[in-house]
Amino acid sequence: EVQLVESGGGLVQPGGSLRLSCAASGFTFSSYWMSWVRQAPGKGLEWVATIKQDGNEKYYVDSVKGRFTISRDNAKNSLYLQMNSLRAEDTAVFYCATLGDYYDRSGYYYDAFDIWGQGTMVIVSS
Amino acid sequence: SSELTQDPAVSVALGQTVRITCQGDSLRSHYANWYQQKPGQAPVLVIYGQKNRPSGIPDRFSGSSSGNTASLTITGAQAEDEADYYCDSRDSSAKERVFGGGTKLTVL
Repeated sequence: EVQLVESGGGLVQPGGSLRLSCAASGFTFSSYWMSWVRQAPGKGLEWVATIKQDGNEKYYVDSVKGRFTISRDNAKNSLYLQMNSLRAEDTAVFYCATLGDYYDRSGYYYDAFDIWGQGTMVIVSS
Repeated sequence: SSELTQDPAVSVALGQTVRITCQGDSLRSHYANWYQQKPGQAPVLVIYGQKNRPSGIPDRFSGSSSGNTASLTITGAQAEDEADYYCDSRDSSAKERVFGGGTKLTVL
């Protein structure tokens, strides 16, 4: 079964740190770009970060640059998000997701978030 | 960074057709994907590359694009289609991603 399982969420004080993990199974993890997407309570989805298959390219939303670090361990089929200097506005459900490759009948390439975990909740509060 | 704009809420009568739109400058250069999210669940990809359905997605879901606007159309909406719908695309740098604010679809 294709699966992503996040863990590591919890309650943390402002200014604190947390490390999220995402365990992948049922597919070739090392073949996929991977991402973190978050959703604040009652709000919409927000892309947070993306990492290339070999870990050599990483991209972040402006609001987390310098505070969050995305990484991966292909030998362990795992994705991580190290979150430092946490703020109240970081409170959200954090999802990990694959950025899957698709080709249409004309051979055009597309990518989309196609496998999602169930999410892990991060609450930043004193 | 780029922005994608969606109407916050749309309603449709059972069995009728509804279109959900997503507007943004980045859509002139990059394709949109669409996701369905039901309460308490993770999002599900329903359309990729503007108009393509992943396997398992009913054919009542279709996508299109024109200029800076991408659209998701549900033809013959069912009660189970009641959900939040989000568009996503690359931003103007083509390296980062951006989601629309989401549209809550109510099936009456």
